[in-house]
Amino acid sequence: EVQLVQSGAEVKKPGESLKISCQGSGYKFANYWIAWVRQTPGKGLEWMGVIYPDDSDTRYSPSFQGQVTISADESLNTAYLQWSSLKASDTAMYYCARERGHGKRWFDPWGQGTLVTVSS
Amino acid sequence: EIVLTQSPGTLSLSPGERATLSCRASQSISSSYLAWYQQKLGQAPRLLMYGASTRATGIPDRFSGSGSGTDFTLTISRLEPEDFAVYFCQQYGSSPYTFGQGTKLEIK
Repeated sequence: EVQLVQSGAEVKKPGESLKISCQGSGYKFANYWIAWVRQTPGKGLEWMGVIYPDDSDTRYSPSFQGQVTISADESLNTAYLQWSSLKASDTAMYYCARERGHGKRWFDPWGQGTLVTVSS
Repeated sequence: EIVLTQSPGTLSLSPGERATLSCRASQSISSSYLAWYQQKLGQAPRLLMYGASTRATGIPDRFSGSGSGTDFTLTISRLEPEDFAVYFCQQYGSSPYTFGQGTKLEIK
């Protein structure tokens, strides 16, 4: 069974750093893109960016470029999303999802989500 | 960026009825690169359709998708109790890939 399992919920203060993870199983992790998607009540679902673990080719949405860093460790079958300095506006549910690449960039499956709360 | 507008915002129907959900794009979506997802409360979204009209693995045939260009539709022929959820469309023809704001399908 293809599965993505994300790290647990986080509560952080503004200015702190954070790295959340997404581990894939049941398929060859290196050969599928992993996307990160943010969900908030106000803005809904937003595509943040994507990484190809085999060569770490990474693409960002202009809205998130410079705000987050996406990385992957092929040896651990794990992708990461990190912040160097969190803001209250980063409070959201974050999902990772697998996509197949050019022409097939739908998301399936999704991880269970990681809730990030940033509050002083 | 392509803006997707879903309508209606909320759809109130009874089990057994037919549901028609709309997704309109601000510009033409190339090659019908449109997907639909279902999200239940407290769960991650689940892929229903891709390529506008191809059902994902395991999706029952009461779900169907249609459309091209800027207008797309998800139809659920006969609603089952488990179909009441929020539905999102997503375009993947042009980066950044964008989602609609969702249609909530609720029990009447």
